[in-house]
Amino acid sequence: EDQVTQSPEALRLQEGESSSLNCSYTVSGLRGLFWYRQDPGKGPEFLFTLYSAGEEKEKERLKATLTKKESFLHITAPKPEDSATYLCAVQIYNFNKFYFGSGTKLNVKP
Amino acid sequence: KAGVTQTPRYLIKTRGQQVTLSCSPISGHRSVSWYQQTPGQGLQFLFEYFSETQRNKGNFPGRFSGRQFSNSRSEMNVSTLELGDSALYLCASSLEGPSGNTIYFGEGSWLTVV
Repeated sequence: EDQVTQSPEALRLQEGESSSLNCSYTVSGLRGLFWYRQDPGKGPEFLFTLYSAGEEKEKERLKATLTKKESFLHITAPKPEDSATYLCAVQIYNFNKFYFGSGTKLNVKP
Repeated sequence: KAGVTQTPRYLIKTRGQQVTLSCSPISGHRSVSWYQQTPGQGLQFLFEYFSETQRNKGNFPGRFSGRQFSNSRSEMNVSTLELGDSALYLCASSLEGPSGNTIYFGEGSWLTVV
């Protein structure tokens, strides 16, 4: 069965304290892995797409990496405005539907 | 470029009623998909439409239905509402491409069933 698991469920960091969020998946025929950020009461905002193992993408303080079994979202020197829920999703071949993880709720304290 | 637009943003319905939610995709996007988000179940796929045809469907009862119009705008309908249908309903659109289809979400429609 296709599955996406994110850990930890919640993460509290001090401003400037770097960390990583994990997304592990078991799917047949990965077409792409996607990271989204969701603020309370809003729709998910697209961050990155990764297509193959070894691929990395960066945007400001965020860097996403992909292996054959999991993806990491590294947050370097986070700021309070990075507080949000981070969702990962996988898309499999032949289906234009996404399987989402349950998310990691990040709280960055000043 | 305008994003995905969903209406209404908030609505309250009574158990047993029906509701219709509307979604306008990003200009040029022909694929529209719908998701239900609840605190307990997270984001769950409802269905996806492309060129007015339903291509994929999630594991939801037949009370949940949708359609897409020739201009790619989409609507979803939930009949005989139950308390458990209270959720954030998200619409997403994507541009078909050979390498994969990033989906872009709207702000969602908050449905409360009382």
